[in-house]
Amino acid sequence: DIVLTQSPASLAVSLGQRATISCRASESVDSYGNSFMHWYQQKPGQPPKLLIYRASNLESGIPARFSGSGSRTDFTLTINPVEADDVATYYCQQSNEDPYTFGGGTKLEIK
Amino acid sequence: EVKLVESGGGLVKPGGSLKLSCAASGFTFSSYAMSWVRQTPEKRLEWVASISSGGSTYYPDSVKGRFTISRDNARNILYLQMSSLRSEDTAMYYCASLTAAWFAYWGQGTLVTVSA
Repeated sequence: DIVLTQSPASLAVSLGQRATISCRASESVDSYGNSFMHWYQQKPGQPPKLLIYRASNLESGIPARFSGSGSRTDFTLTINPVEADDVATYYCQQSNEDPYTFGGGTKLEIK
Repeated sequence: EVKLVESGGGLVKPGGSLKLSCAASGFTFSSYAMSWVRQTPEKRLEWVASISSGGSTYYPDSVKGRFTISRDNARNILYLQMSSLRSEDTAMYYCASLTAAWFAYWGQGTLVTVSA
């Protein structure tokens, strides 16, 4: 199975500043010129919500403050600028290989 | 508006069975692959099962042979039949639509607790 390691496990960022979350895969999640890495946001008491698909594509309705980058084994979710509503846990997920797997999550708080 | 509403969760003894349902609306259910994803009490997310629009099914090894995903396209309902349940199956179970290879829409979840 592909293991996804997120870092940091938690971070505190001041309003208006940048938040950067990393996701490292145990093997490449690239195929056919695409990176099959996706990002989700989960607020307390709610289900996860898709933010970014295929590494860098913003899901419809998601603010442009969110962006994704990376390829092969190293991926980044950036939130810039951070707003109070962004307090949540963020997860990466790969779908290049069965079984689909998720990272352990990164909890974002406001400093 | 896409809506996914899960039901059927509850308390079950180890070795027992439970069937979850997910009522879908707001999209052409029969055209989409669907999945179940669970979240453990430790907040870990785990893919549990997927079914294509044509009915092909996929499972991770952790549930293969114990869980069965199915769908009723006439009634827009997704199912997950779970048997031989173990304590490690305790989780919130989410129904999710699978667009290409990512989980685009999620329901609110139904809680399954496996305990004696």
